[in-house]
Formats: sequence, structure tokens, C-alpha cells
Amino acid sequence: KAGVTQTPRYLIKTRGQQVTLSCSPISGHRSVSWYQQTPGQGLQFLFEYFSETQRNKGNFPGRFSGRQFSNSRSEMNVSTLELGDSALYLCASSLGTVNEKLFFGSGTQLSVL
Amino acid sequence: AQTVTQSQPEMSVQEAETVTLSCTYDTSESDYYLFWYKQPPSRQMILVIRQEAYKQQNATENRFSVNFQKAAKSFSLKISDSQLGDAAMYFCAYRSGKNFGNEKLTFGTGTRLTIIP
Repeated sequence: KAGVTQTPRYLIKTRGQQVTLSCSPISGHRSVSWYQQTPGQGLQFLFEYFSETQRNKGNFPGRFSGRQFSNSRSEMNVSTLELGDSALYLCASSLGTVNEKLFFGSGTQLSVL
Repeated sequence: AQTVTQSQPEMSVQEAETVTLSCTYDTSESDYYLFWYKQPPSRQMILVIRQEAYKQQNATENRFSVNFQKAAKSFSLKISDSQLGDAAMYFCAYRSGKNFGNEKLTFGTGTRLTIIP
């Protein structure tokens, strides 16, 4: 069974640009969550989608948005990039109930210059 | 809001020895889950062990076990017979037991574990 796949692995952008990151969950998983990991702030929850609906949201500005498609694949978009958006963005998938395990991808490393 | 604290930024252990990583958390909830995740240089977060708060018995997964002290809000990870492949960042995490809209994990700041050959 394939794991959680995130593309691309690395991305370099300049300030003011926008970026879209992709996450393909494990087959059969309906929940996809996104996390931002930085040396200063650690791991922070961005949002979670279940069956194409945003179910939970962290404390990030509106520049961070996401969506989920009918096949459970998810995309995360960041508009008007700032230097502080440089981070490792991790995606996790699960079946979607509270007692299910979360499985993480290897992340997308975003560098904003 | 829930918080998770890992007070040991770095730890080291001799290969084949035992090491314990500390984690404390703060919550007003009675139903929750606690996790230890490992993040090797590949950056993928790998679940090491999970503990349900309603279970009194400490979770065990092969060489990994936890000491869950609910009253003290403490959740330490013990790694026995340490191996070179155990070298990684270890994160303690909390998740609410509420059934809807709570996939959110709250992570600690991590402990970098070095294995000395």
C-alpha cells in the first residue's frame, strides 16, 4: 500500500508569489491534515479536510488556504508569500475518526527568497 | 488550550543501552490520546507509539514503551536496546478525544536523540 505522497519535495519562490502544494493520502483515507514545521515555531497545525470539507483550522492568516478533491487528494495554497513562510510543510492522512492513526508524508520544503 | 512540553532538547545514549525521553502536557480534558513520533533525516514523521488516556496500562511496541502518569500529566518514552537507526528527532504529541473536527495534533518542541556507537 502506497504511503502519503507530497509533491514537490522542494520548492523555491520569491516574496509576493503564490505556491500550491499537493498531498495524495493513503488509499481509502478520507482525512488530510496539514502542518507547518519551522525551527522557531516548531510544528503547527494548519487545517484538516474530511470528505472535501474543512473540519478544523489552525491560527494562520487567510493567505493560507486548502481544498480537498473527491478522490481525497488535497492541495494547500499560500498567496503573497513572505520570508517567514519558509518551512517544511507536512501532510498527514487518516481514515478520519478520532481513534485512527495519522500517517505523514515526507513533506515539501518551501524556501522563500 | 492544550500544551505539550519536552524539556530535553538533546539526549544521547550508548548503543544497546536504555534511554528515557520526557514529556509533560497540560489539558482540562479527560479523554485524549498521546503519541510519540520519530522524525529521521528523511523528514517523514513516523508513529512510534500511542496511548489512550482511558487505558491505565502503559503502551508497548517492541523496544519502545511509555510511562503514562495521568494525574501528573506525564508521558515519557523509554527506548530499550538502543540502535543506530533510533537516531532522530522525537516529538511528543497530544490529540483531543472529542469525536469530530479534532484531528489536530499539538506537538512538543522535540528531543534530538543521538546514538553513540
